[in-house]
Amino acid sequence: GESVGLHLPTLSVQEGDNSIINCAYSNSASDYFIWYKQESGKGPQFIIDIRSNMDKRQGQRVTVLLNKTVKHLSLQIAATQPGDSAVYFCAEKGSSASKIIFGSGTRLSIRP
Amino acid sequence: DAGVIQSPRHEVTEMGQEVTLRCKPISGHDYLFWYRQTMMRGLELLIYFNNNVPIDDSGMPEDRFSAKMPNASFSTLKIQPSEPRDSAVYFCASSGTGVRGQPQHFGDGTRLSIL
Repeated sequence: GESVGLHLPTLSVQEGDNSIINCAYSNSASDYFIWYKQESGKGPQFIIDIRSNMDKRQGQRVTVLLNKTVKHLSLQIAATQPGDSAVYFCAEKGSSASKIIFGSGTRLSIRP
Repeated sequence: DAGVIQSPRHEVTEMGQEVTLRCKPISGHDYLFWYRQTMMRGLELLIYFNNNVPIDDSGMPEDRFSAKMPNASFSTLKIQPSEPRDSAVYFCASSGTGVRGQPQHFGDGTRLSIL
């Protein structure tokens, strides 16, 4: 079956540096993508989304980039803070599907 | 502004017992989703509703699992009888009109342990 692919690596970043979390998706028909942040003991929290007619979208300290040619999605966090420590999931939704498919997540840890 | 509310936050029960998990979606949202999260399988969609009607329950693992949505502000997920392999964190999420292009908002989950 098609899936959004994230192995569960740990990304360690120095506080204050920028973080880049990557995601590969396999369904070329997907037209909506979402990033979620999950802190320990909490549910996934919506961060930012992007539709397939865009290749970049910015929020507060976060930027999502979409490269449809290579089916790649990334989340950039500027000036990483201790509160950014969490597991980050990308998710996709296809135009003909009604379910969101979640990747397996990336753990972001912040070094002081 | 209240988010998705789930109860209980934690449930520990013995194998064979009935378990009922509860969810109150965000007011005005017409989609409701139940997920299960484990280390081995990640986040799995179990079932989702649109306007209180179950649309896709293909993720429900077995007949022991059932879900209802009697009205727009309440849903339950029931496991009867429960088994140790059902131990997981169960999340409820809701979203606004148009399951495409609308992010789902999650509750903080019910951590279920079956002994």
